[in-house]
Amino acid sequence: GDSVTQMEGPVTLSEEAFLTINCTYTATGYPSLFWYVQYPGEGLQLLLKATKADDKGSNKGFEATYRKETTSFHLEKGSVQVSDSAVYFCALSDQGAQKLVFGQGTRLTINP
Amino acid sequence: IAGITQAPTSQILAAGRRMTLRCTQDMRHNAMYWYRQDLGLGLRLIHYSNTAGTTGKGEVPDGYSVSRANTDDFPLTLASAVPSQTSVYFCASKASGGPGELFFGEGSRLTVL
Repeated sequence: GDSVTQMEGPVTLSEEAFLTINCTYTATGYPSLFWYVQYPGEGLQLLLKATKADDKGSNKGFEATYRKETTSFHLEKGSVQVSDSAVYFCALSDQGAQKLVFGQGTRLTINP
Repeated sequence: IAGITQAPTSQILAAGRRMTLRCTQDMRHNAMYWYRQDLGLGLRLIHYSNTAGTTGKGEVPDGYSVSRANTDDFPLTLASAVPSQTSVYFCASKASGGPGELFFGEGSRLTVL
């Protein structure tokens, strides 16, 4: 079945550091890919998405590019802030399917 | 405020008791979902409903049941709670069709002793 694998956390960085959180997937067909973010005590909210190969999703300074050849959707940000501290989830939605499959989440802590 | 409302926010429950987690959305979304979140395991789908009157099993359905009598409500019932059902439960919804965004509630933390 479809699956998503994220880099294991937790990840701790200093403010203004460069961030990469790796995500790879296994799926049949052509899935849509998502990054969700969960701030402390809250539900998940969509950060960005890409629906086809080579698409780049971006939001709040975060970016991720849909790489079909490497089945990856790595999340990047050039300069992180303390307010970016959260748990980040990579997810996929198979074409035509109603369900999302999530990775295990990566906890990110940014120190001032 | 539009969105998803879950209740209760937190509950401690004795093993063997019956519990219903409530979920209501006011966005008129057709599809609704229940996930559980456990440390190191991410979110796992329990049950889903693509439209009112229909439900389906997700990845971890055992010990849980759902109903979808109308568009807005999607309650999750634990018929006889066990300690392994201690988790944080999230309800979510999506407008039908295509790779749309899931909207999540704020979660219900359940502890089964």
